[in-house]
Amino acid sequence: DIQMTQSPASLSASLGETVTIECRASEDIYNGLAWYQQKPGKSPQLLIYNANSLHTGVPSRFSGSGSGTQYSLKINSLQSEDVASYFCQQYYDYLTFGSGTKLEIK
Amino acid sequence: EVQLVESGGGLVQPGRSMKLSCAASGFTFNNYDMAWVCQAPKKGLEWVATISYDGSSTYYRDSVKGRFTISRDNAKSTLYLQMDSLRSEDTATYYCARHADPYYGGLNWFAYWGQGTLVTVSS
Repeated sequence: DIQMTQSPASLSASLGETVTIECRASEDIYNGLAWYQQKPGKSPQLLIYNANSLHTGVPSRFSGSGSGTQYSLKINSLQSEDVASYFCQQYYDYLTFGSGTKLEIK
Repeated sequence: EVQLVESGGGLVQPGRSMKLSCAASGFTFNNYDMAWVCQAPKKGLEWVATISYDGSSTYYRDSVKGRFTISRDNAKSTLYLQMDSLRSEDTATYYCARHADPYYGGLNWFAYWGQGTLVTVSS
């Protein structure tokens, strides 16, 4: 099974800052990676698929990058509504999620 | 607008069964693979099972194989999850999710999610 290691587990940043969340796969997943945002008490929502493609309606301050085993989600100009947990998910070989990153405003 | 509405959760004793349902609307249900994803309280997400658009293929995570059965009724635009021999570790919120456009093929990402239904396995 492919394991997804996500870091950091939690993150505190100021409004307007840029934050980056990382995900490392236990083997090459050939860009088969998605990112989700889960606001408190809500269901997850798709942000990014195929490592760097923005889902419909997602603000352009969100972006994804990476290749091979290393991937990242970047949020530019952090807004208060970005307070949430973020999860990566690989779909190259079955389906596994990272353990999540909880983002708070400083 | 895509809508996925789960139902059927609640409190159940270990070893007993429960069946979840997910009513879909806002898209052509029989064109899309569908899935169940769970989230234990204060924990991360775990994929549970996927069924192909026509019901001909099913896929499960190892821990539920032989205990859970995913199925669908395309005439009713409804997805199901039959859960047997439930264990305390199955306690979680269960989300119904729609996979991405079939153009992309294979097991892929989850484009839309329902609000979830909580299953608590306890005596």
